[in-house]
Amino acid sequence: QVQLVESGGGVVQPGASLKLSCAASGFTFTTFTIYWVRQAPGKGLEWLTFISHDGRNKYFADSVKGRFTISRDNSKATVFLQMDGLRPDDTALYYCARTHYASPRYGMDVWGQGTMVTVS
Amino acid sequence: DIQLTQSPSFLSASVGDRVTITCRASQGLSIYLAWYQQKPGKAPTLLIYSASTLQTGVPSRFSASGSGTDYTLTISSLQPDDFATYYCQQLNTYPLTFGGGTKVEIK
Repeated sequence: QVQLVESGGGVVQPGASLKLSCAASGFTFTTFTIYWVRQAPGKGLEWLTFISHDGRNKYFADSVKGRFTISRDNSKATVFLQMDGLRPDDTALYYCARTHYASPRYGMDVWGQGTMVTVS
Repeated sequence: DIQLTQSPSFLSASVGDRVTITCRASQGLSIYLAWYQQKPGKAPTLLIYSASTLQTGVPSRFSASGSGTDYTLTISSLQPDDFATYYCQQLNTYPLTFGGGTKVEIK
């Protein structure tokens, strides 16, 4: 079935780096934009970044710009989020999500289960 | 960046109630607004896209409308499965942004 599975979360100290992965299956990965969204404990959703289907286009929220990078390996149907210079306020559950099958303007129709990152 | 303000942030309602949640944007969105439902410990799920189009599989008791800067999500008759937190999201301009959420709890 269509699914996204995040991995790579963990507990790290401030200033450390971590690389998250988002593995896709059940759909034609090479045609979809992928997003990362995070949710701090007890808080709302925060959109972080996207990478276009071909990896050429990316955009970052100000809160992570210059510290996080996004990439994808279409041969492995996987998107990566490299997080450097982690801070305690980066502590959150990190979700990857797929753009809606019909249009990137329609939202995110498939989400992973999330991977937890704790910076302490 | 476009700011989305949801109201109320919390509401208490009974099964069968009609519930309306509003989302106001700091600038016009050209209908590129989505609504999500999130239950505790779960990822969000898409309910509505393009301001008023029901995502496949979403019950018809959910509806939404709006344009420009003002949008609403309505649940016509609240069901036990609907107690959750609801978020709006704008997809008009990067960075994409979410509203602060509306938690719907059982009265």
